Amino acid sequence: NAGVMQNPRHLVRRRGQEARLRCSPMKGHSHVYWYRQLPEEGLKFMVYLQKENIIDESGMPKERFSAEFPKEGPSILRIQQVVRGDSAAYFCASSANRGDYGYTFGSGTRLTVV
Amino acid sequence: AQSVTQLDSQVPVFEEAPVELRCNYSSSVSVYLFWYVQYPNQGLQLLLKYLSGSTLVESINGFEAEFNKSQTSFHLRKPSVHISDTAEYFCAVSAKKDALNFGKGTSLLVTP
Repeated sequence: NAGVMQNPRHLVRRRGQEARLRCSPMKGHSHVYWYRQLPEEGLKFMVYLQKENIIDESGMPKERFSAEFPKEGPSILRIQQVVRGDSAAYFCASSANRGDYGYTFGSGTRLTVV
Repeated sequence: AQSVTQLDSQVPVFEEAPVELRCNYSSSVSVYLFWYVQYPNQGLQLLLKYLSGSTLVESINGFEAEFNKSQTSFHLRKPSVHISDTAEYFCAVSAKKDALNFGKGTSLLVTP
């Protein structure tokens, strides 16, 4: 009964490269949420997706960031042309239903941009 | 918009002593409140939540939090902590179903 799986756990990218972060929700969960935690900050909501649909992307930066949750496979958070300010911990959470307060979080991906 | 303030970034406490982790929020609408715990190198786990009803909510491991609407607070308490309670604790608020607004976290360090 695996929880929310995120990989990689740690990711190092040079400025200008692309970063791809993966999130496999818990079995039976079709709702995925991405959060970002900057150093010394709390988690900030980025985007909420259902299978094949973006429901709420109000927290996503307007440029370079995109997210998808295809019918098959994990959810992907993609950051193009990374900059040092993108260095953060990115957490994914999942739930079985919309409005299931208290969704389950993964262990996060620590992105470092050098 | 909603926001959360966790007044203490670090709380050191001796084992078996009581502890209170403070959380205040601001919102112009009714909110739902949560406490999450993050153990080292792990994801966040839901500790307890207030959605409606009784303002005092409890977790299975002895923590409790009380929703105080007049003081806009949701402080977390435990009467006697264990070494294993050492972790980062996050307070969160939500007014809509999809997004949580988190505080910066409080690091609880329990020592013998």
